[in-house]
Amino acid sequence: GAGVSQSPSNKVTEKGKDVELRCDPISGHTALYWYRQSLGQGLEFLIYFQGNSAPDKSGLPSDRFSAERTGGSVSTLTIQRTQQEDSAVYLCASSLGLLNNEQFFGPGTRLTVL
Amino acid sequence: AQTVTQSQPEMSVQEAETVTLSCTYDTSESDYYLFWYKQPPSRQMILVIRQEAYKQQNATENRFSVNFQKAAKSFSLKISDSQLGDAAMYFCAYYRHQTGANNLFFGTGTRLTVIP
Repeated sequence: GAGVSQSPSNKVTEKGKDVELRCDPISGHTALYWYRQSLGQGLEFLIYFQGNSAPDKSGLPSDRFSAERTGGSVSTLTIQRTQQEDSAVYLCASSLGLLNNEQFFGPGTRLTVL
Repeated sequence: AQTVTQSQPEMSVQEAETVTLSCTYDTSESDYYLFWYKQPPSRQMILVIRQEAYKQQNATENRFSVNFQKAAKSFSLKISDSQLGDAAMYFCAYYRHQTGANNLFFGTGTRLTVIP
């Protein structure tokens, strides 16, 4: 596609349920990033991928969060046993490579945990 | 860790006037990049302007320009001839490529209102 796409656009779930968020980067972009944007706050870095590898997972808030990327393209961010504090907009971005610092963002997934 | 500070949670400007959004950052590095992103209600983050720290000349993109003061670690955004479509959240961001860390560090944002 022409840009970064994310699905679903909105997700409402009950506390304790697992959710999967999907990101489809721009074709040919090898680097992919996940950020979280809580209400009234800036963007918090979660994890990045270079190809299928995630060298730095220290940004993930807890062990309930995990992410994977297969085929160097689509990535999924999984949150297990969701909590109300997980409610936020989850943004994905991609770039041509790590040395290319221009990141292109998707429209985000708004997650609401009831 | 790098920190980015935007001290103006909200700003307003009259249509066609000029407004300046402030940003300061903390780093011990000399080679890095700074960005201003715009986020309208659609949530789509849009790159407005980019500045390489090694360049002394301030970046300019049409009505958008920056005042980059490296020694003061200041990076303000000036919007000239403001338009209604400029209304959005504006985020300042810092980036430096290094092994094991390649993310953008964002400020908390400034909400810009454009008054007709």
